[in-house]
Amino acid sequence: HSVLTQPPSASGTPGQRVTISCSGSNSNIGSNTVNWHQQLPGTAPKLLISRNNQRPSGVPDRFSGSKSGTSASLVISGLQSEDEADYYCATWDDSLNGAVFGGGTKLTVL
Amino acid sequence: EVQLVESGGGLVQPGGSLRLSCAASGFSFGDYSMSWVRQAPGKGLEWLSYISSTGHTIYYADSVKGRFTISRDNAKNSLYLQMNSLRVEDTAVYYCARAPNYDFDYWGQGTLVTVSS
Repeated sequence: HSVLTQPPSASGTPGQRVTISCSGSNSNIGSNTVNWHQQLPGTAPKLLISRNNQRPSGVPDRFSGSKSGTSASLVISGLQSEDEADYYCATWDDSLNGAVFGGGTKLTVL
Repeated sequence: EVQLVESGGGLVQPGGSLRLSCAASGFSFGDYSMSWVRQAPGKGLEWLSYISSTGHTIYYADSVKGRFTISRDNAKNSLYLQMNSLRVEDTAVYYCARAPNYDFDYWGQGTLVTVSS
């Protein structure tokens, strides 16, 4: 079981808005910033959102992140077919002295 | 351009050892902390270990503590993971990742480790 909880799957049609949640605790999300990583099929993960809501250069502004208390969210607005991928939240856990990931959310574009 | 290239994966028997390497380029390697992350077939991401830029601070996940050792050679722009007492459940793709502030901002392409008799 992952320390951070994500829904295993999500779906939407092109153009729709999709939200993926990530739930943790005071020792991880409650105390540290959250990153989101996108893993396209058969490829390595790629940083999508850093420090709760920062988009690295090259990431479309359709992707946005937020954090509140011990939860975080990734929002994809204007869903596109190329967004079909696995999405992982991640942060540091002060109690475990280690990084922790969510179990991943498989996004399907219908 | 930041590049991380892992090598050293392969097939090993249970109880065996393997040493993974990660060659870094495109940034000042000695200024950044690094991590290893793995992904078992069909599963999610699992963080394994972290090493600070100087190598003075090291953390391990409980699943590999006492069996795996992370190290780095800043003169060679390289990160390593020595894996001993390997188990079938260690079978995975192993990624190195640049890890400033405990984040993972760049990932390598991964190297596959298969533990099987």
